[in-house]
Amino acid sequence: NAGVTQTPKFQVLKTGQSMTLQCAQDMNHEYMSWYRQDPGMGLRLIHYSVGAGITDQGEVPNGYNVSRSTTEDFPLRLLSAAPSQTSVYFCASGPTPRDQHVNGYTFGSGTRLTVV
Amino acid sequence: KNQVEQSPQSLIILEGKNCTLQCNYTVSPFSNLRWYKQDTGRGPVSLTIMTFSENTKSNRRYTATLDADTKQSSLHITASQLSDSASYICVVSADNNNDMRFGAGTRLTVKP
Repeated sequence: NAGVTQTPKFQVLKTGQSMTLQCAQDMNHEYMSWYRQDPGMGLRLIHYSVGAGITDQGEVPNGYNVSRSTTEDFPLRLLSAAPSQTSVYFCASGPTPRDQHVNGYTFGSGTRLTVV
Repeated sequence: KNQVEQSPQSLIILEGKNCTLQCNYTVSPFSNLRWYKQDTGRGPVSLTIMTFSENTKSNRRYTATLDADTKQSSLHITASQLSDSASYICVVSADNNNDMRFGAGTRLTVKP
């Protein structure tokens, strides 16, 4: 049982490049989400999904795309990287928010992205 | 706008000492409040969760309190250990949406 697996752990991009951050979970969770963590700020929700084929925007969705073709995978795509997207990105999965009072969310170990 | 404010921003204590971290929130309608521990370079891990009807909950050396009237929570760490060095994040969920609001965290350093 690997939990939530994020790849890569580190990435450096040039401005304008695109890339995909991978996230996979093996707990059969319906809910998956992407957050970014910046110094001095709480984690902010980028996009989330409540099941395969269903995605929605969070607090800071601009510049990011997601898709959810399977229950297990929830990739985050940066369309044209900008220095403002330099951050640490976390993927999380869990029961739906209304049911997460039991075990909460499981977070991946993060992807540290630098855009130069 | 729903917000979660944590204090202090950072804290340094000696091993074996106790400390208390604070969390104030304005999320409404309130569903639950959870404390997470985030070690450096890792994702957050849940410590405890408080629902509206709960005032105190303990998990080993961690004791969380909740005052839903004043919208305040605290996390008390007893007999601190070096492994307690981490960021502690307060997360509040509203009852009417799929979002959670994260505090910026308190960075705790326990020194020998």
